[in-house]
Amino acid sequence: AQKITQTQPGMFVQEKEAVTLDCTYDTSDPSYGLFWYKQPSSGEMIFLIYQGSYDQQNATEGRYSLNFQKARKSANLVISASQLGDSAMYFCAMREDNILVNSGGSNYKLTFGKGTLLTVNP
Amino acid sequence: GAGVSQTPSNKVTEKGKYVELRCDPISGHTALYWYRQSLGQGPEFLIYFQGTGAADDSGLPNDRFFAVRPEGSVSTLKIQRTERGDSAVYLCASSLDYRGIFPDTQYFGPGTRLTVL
Repeated sequence: AQKITQTQPGMFVQEKEAVTLDCTYDTSDPSYGLFWYKQPSSGEMIFLIYQGSYDQQNATEGRYSLNFQKARKSANLVISASQLGDSAMYFCAMREDNILVNSGGSNYKLTFGKGTLLTVNP
Repeated sequence: GAGVSQTPSNKVTEKGKYVELRCDPISGHTALYWYRQSLGQGPEFLIYFQGTGAADDSGLPNDRFFAVRPEGSVSTLKIQRTERGDSAVYLCASSLDYRGIFPDTQYFGPGTRLTVL
């Protein structure tokens, strides 16, 4: 089963309007984190926002907010007041907080969805 | 400060050749990750380093792929006998990996686009 599902291959939004990008996840780990990254055409993955599974409030970072519904296992990204520069691929990712005892550290590898291509129209 | 850097930005090679991809993480970041992103897909995990050691290499597709991080900073991903299916963007990420400090965000480099002809 897919661990991260992004059902919208592409989304269009008018400049200055808000848009919601969907993400659902699947895990049995009680401790996990959810991330959103932006990937412009230049290719670099840019971190946007994080939500921990134990966080009581939805995360916000400037124009980005995360609509976290734990029971539904969804972590939708909301971008307010869209700008032309927001046009890019957006990836939802999950980190399951399994601890590698032998290494003494933690492997916080990310599992990504397939992404949503957002186009902001003037 | 400086972000994660990767070289080369583009690499074109012929089937069967050997390639090395380099990643220079953010200074002070002890955790380093390699991911592979195929066209139209999200990145997929390859290998994770905690310091100098490969703590998890479960994502490496086969024994043609190998990575090292001898001094706990710069890492090199090595691919032997390249195949056309290896063509992808190879992304490197680093994080503080300081236990107890969440979210321990991974910061990505610009990637190396590998094309195997």
